[in-house]
Amino acid sequence: NAGVTQTPKFRILKIGQSMTLQCTQDMNHNYMYWYRQDPGMGLKLIYYSVGAGITDKGEVPNGYNVSRSTTEDFPLRLELAAPSQTSVYFCASRTSAPGETQYFGPGTRLLVL
Amino acid sequence: GENVEQHPSTLSVQEGDSAVIKCTYSDSASNYFPWYKQELGKRPQLIIDIRSNVGEKKDQRIAVTLNKTAKHFSLHITETQPEDSAVYFCAASYSGNTPLVFGKGTRLSVIA
Repeated sequence: NAGVTQTPKFRILKIGQSMTLQCTQDMNHNYMYWYRQDPGMGLKLIYYSVGAGITDKGEVPNGYNVSRSTTEDFPLRLELAAPSQTSVYFCASRTSAPGETQYFGPGTRLLVL
Repeated sequence: GENVEQHPSTLSVQEGDSAVIKCTYSDSASNYFPWYKQELGKRPQLIIDIRSNVGEKKDQRIAVTLNKTAKHFSLHITETQPEDSAVYFCAASYSGNTPLVFGKGTRLSVIA
C-alpha cells in the first residue's frame, strides 16, 4: 500500500490564483481530513469527510473548498489564493472504527506571493 | 467542543534523561488519546495511543498515562536519545467519530 499520497510536494502561487491540492489513499478509509500547519505551529483542521459525498467544515474552512466523489480521493481547492494561505497542508485518513490510527500524507508546501 | 492544552511548548533534556509532556482536555466524553511525533520537514506519525478504559500503556521507552478524573494525559520518554528530538503533539477525540483535536505541540530537544 502507498498509504496517503499528496501532490504536488511544493507549489508557489501568485495572489489571486487558484489551485487544487490532491490527496489519495489506498487503504479504503472512510474518514479523510485536511489540515494546515503554519511554521512552528500546530495542526488546524480545514475540512473533513466521513465518506463519499459527505463533507464538513473544520476549524478554518474559509478560502477553501473540498469534494469527495470517491472513497480514495479528497481534493482541496484554494480559490483566490492569499498570503495568509502560505502553509504546509497535510491530508490524513483512517477507518471508521472507533479509535483507529489516523495516517498522514507527506504534505504539500504552499507559498503564496 | 473539545479543547486540548499541551505543556510545555519547548523542552530541552540531556541525553539519557527522561522527558514528560502533559496535556489536558475539556470534554469528558473524549475517550481516545493519541500522541504523534513530527520530525523536521516530515509528516506527523503516531507513536502511541491510549483509550479511556486503560490508565497506562507502555511501548519500550515510551509510556502514556491517563487520568480521566482530572482529564489529563501525559507522554513519558525514558533514556532519551538525540533521535527523540522532534515536535510531539497530543490529541483527543470521542470514539474517533469526531475529528481529532490536537494540542499546539511540544518541541523536544535532546542534547548529546
